[in-house]
Amino acid sequence: QVQLQESGPGLVKPSETLSLTCTVSGGSISNYSWSWIRQPAGKGLEWIGRIYSNGAPNYNPSLKSRVTMSIDTSNNQFSLNLRSVTAADTAVYYCARRVIVPAAIDYGSFDIWGQGTMVTVAS
Amino acid sequence: DIVMTQTPLSLSVTPGQPASISCKSSQSLLHSDGKTYLYWYLQRPGQSPQLLIYAVSNRFSGVPDRFSGSGSGTDFTLKISRVEAEDVGVYYCMHTIQLPYSFGQGTKLEIK
Repeated sequence: QVQLQESGPGLVKPSETLSLTCTVSGGSISNYSWSWIRQPAGKGLEWIGRIYSNGAPNYNPSLKSRVTMSIDTSNNQFSLNLRSVTAADTAVYYCARRVIVPAAIDYGSFDIWGQGTMVTVAS
Repeated sequence: DIVMTQTPLSLSVTPGQPASISCKSSQSLLHSDGKTYLYWYLQRPGQSPQLLIYAVSNRFSGVPDRFSGSGSGTDFTLKISRVEAEDVGVYYCMHTIQLPYSFGQGTKLEIK
């Protein structure tokens, strides 16, 4: 059974870089896209961006100038870097898998999510 | 960008009674490939979102048949035929037809 696990610092200082890693276990990192999604406390969900196993990324324009994603297929991990953080970046950060094989019955869905990791931006 | 609008934002339902949530998108979610990229998720308290419905009306593996989805184009509905205590949480619709993907604001379901 495929599982996703986010990891990284729970506290980041303002103006510094938030760095998170998602580890994929129980399955291959190929044939899917891998996204980061965040949720401020008591608020809704915001898609941050995605990366494919070939390393090609796409970012939400609202965060594009500060986001970089990377992938390490040999270790079944992908990562998020968010630069110049402020208190507004305080949130639970989720990684999630999207099905991209057109023949799959649940094509296009985010079918597996990590449990989420809380990141607080504060000095 | 596509805006997803859910109504109502909160629901209080007696167990055994039905519930319905509407989701409207600012653009059609019907792709030229014939698929409609509309999904429903449930986020139970303290948990990550879980997929309920994919492609408008298909229940994901393990989802009870009291959940159903319908709609087309820009108007979609999630229905629960008989609400149970385990259905509490926040329901989100989401599109993945184009970038950036986006979610509705969420509908909080409570039990009376």
